[in-house]
Amino acid sequence: QVTLKESGPVLVKPTETLTLTCTVSGFSLSNDRMGVTWIRQPPGKALEWLAHMYSIDEKSYSTSLRSRLTISQDTSKSQVVLTMTNMDPLDTGTYYCARIFGVVTTPRFDYWGPGTLVAVSS
Amino acid sequence: DIQMTQSPSSLSASVGDRVTITCRASQSISTYLNWYQQTPGRAPKLLISAASRLQSGVPSRFSGSGSGTDFTLTINSLQPEDFASYFCQQSYTAVTFGQGTRLEIK
Repeated sequence: QVTLKESGPVLVKPTETLTLTCTVSGFSLSNDRMGVTWIRQPPGKALEWLAHMYSIDEKSYSTSLRSRLTISQDTSKSQVVLTMTNMDPLDTGTYYCARIFGVVTTPRFDYWGPGTLVAVSS
Repeated sequence: DIQMTQSPSSLSASVGDRVTITCRASQSISTYLNWYQQTPGRAPKLLISAASRLQSGVPSRFSGSGSGTDFTLTINSLQPEDFASYFCQQSYTAVTFGQGTRLEIK
């Protein structure tokens, strides 16, 4: 059974760095046909892709947020970590991690975590 | 970046209706197009991948079509559980989502 679960702070202050962890089970992060992505959603708004990674060396970032994001993984812990620097109230929203399936064919996000709500406020 | 334009942004329909949602890419994305359904407070759910491939467990009243820049999601005979938001997403180059379509009960 594939599951993903996000964890991290509920509240961060402006200018702080956000660190979110996605813990996965039911598949291996070293499987080169799969990966993990991070997506966020401000309240009442659309989904916004942030970053993803396939294996240790394949990483990709949103063009608009590239300078603030870092994605990494600890295969032994089955975790993918996303850090976002210089947080702003506009970064408030629900942050999801999801599994990418079909890396070399037609990538799609087939399993999602429940999401974690992050508020940015002083 | 590839832009995805979804229409309409909201839609009112009745149980039993047939509805169509469209998604247009700013450049050709072949069939690298996925559709998701999201209900309030829940994570999105993958409905259709590769423009027309229905995911396991998704009712057959859902269908997708298109290639290149123009895509459609069709729902036949709407059921009460179908009233939700729908998002298209391209995976041809990086990832982009459409702005979503909110399907409401008339």
